[in-house]
Amino acid sequence: GAVVSQHPSRVICKSGTSVKIECRSLDFQATTMFWYRQFPKQSLMLMATSNEGSKATYEQGVEKDKFLINHASLTLSTLTVTSAHPEDSSFYICSAPGSNEQFFGPGTRLTVL
Amino acid sequence: AQSVTQLGSHVSVSEGALVLLRCNYSSSVPPYLFWYVQYPNQGLQLLLKYTTGATLVKGINGFEAEFKKSETSFHLTKPSAHMSDAAEYFCAVSEGNRDDKIIFGKGTRLHILP
Repeated sequence: GAVVSQHPSRVICKSGTSVKIECRSLDFQATTMFWYRQFPKQSLMLMATSNEGSKATYEQGVEKDKFLINHASLTLSTLTVTSAHPEDSSFYICSAPGSNEQFFGPGTRLTVL
Repeated sequence: AQSVTQLGSHVSVSEGALVLLRCNYSSSVPPYLFWYVQYPNQGLQLLLKYTTGATLVKGINGFEAEFKKSETSFHLTKPSAHMSDAAEYFCAVSEGNRDDKIIFGKGTRLHILP
């Protein structure tokens, strides 16, 4: 089946720095990708829809200047957490739509010290 | 707007007993419905999905779910629980468009008692 990868799987950074997370569709093209955030023991909350060649669509309450999304090609979307703070620590998961279902990446654990 | 309600944030069943995880949805259009499982510190694995056609859907690991439009429900069942079924289960809905976003319920933690 289709595979979506994320890199890195884990990242620890200092408060105030920026972190980039990559989401790749390995064997199919995706004009749309989705970014979710999951806090410990909570559900996945949709953050934004990444659109290839155009601006991302952000869900209500998500700061677009803090969570920068770039969908530069049909197989790659990146999420950059700018000026990270401890409250940004979370599990970030991306997904890409396949022929009849969404394929999810394995997630990236971000810890901000 | 779509939404998903999962009744019970924690469910405990004995090994070998019936598993029933409840899910109700709200959608203004015919929905696509999903159940995902998540093991600790891992990503999501699709258990099963309903798109169109047969309302009783069979998935992996012996799980199945039935789409009941009149009840706006999509409950997940398994006849006999195994210890390996202990995990977090998420019900989810989308509007059926291939590229549409998926909205998740809050999840149900399934505990299996020996």
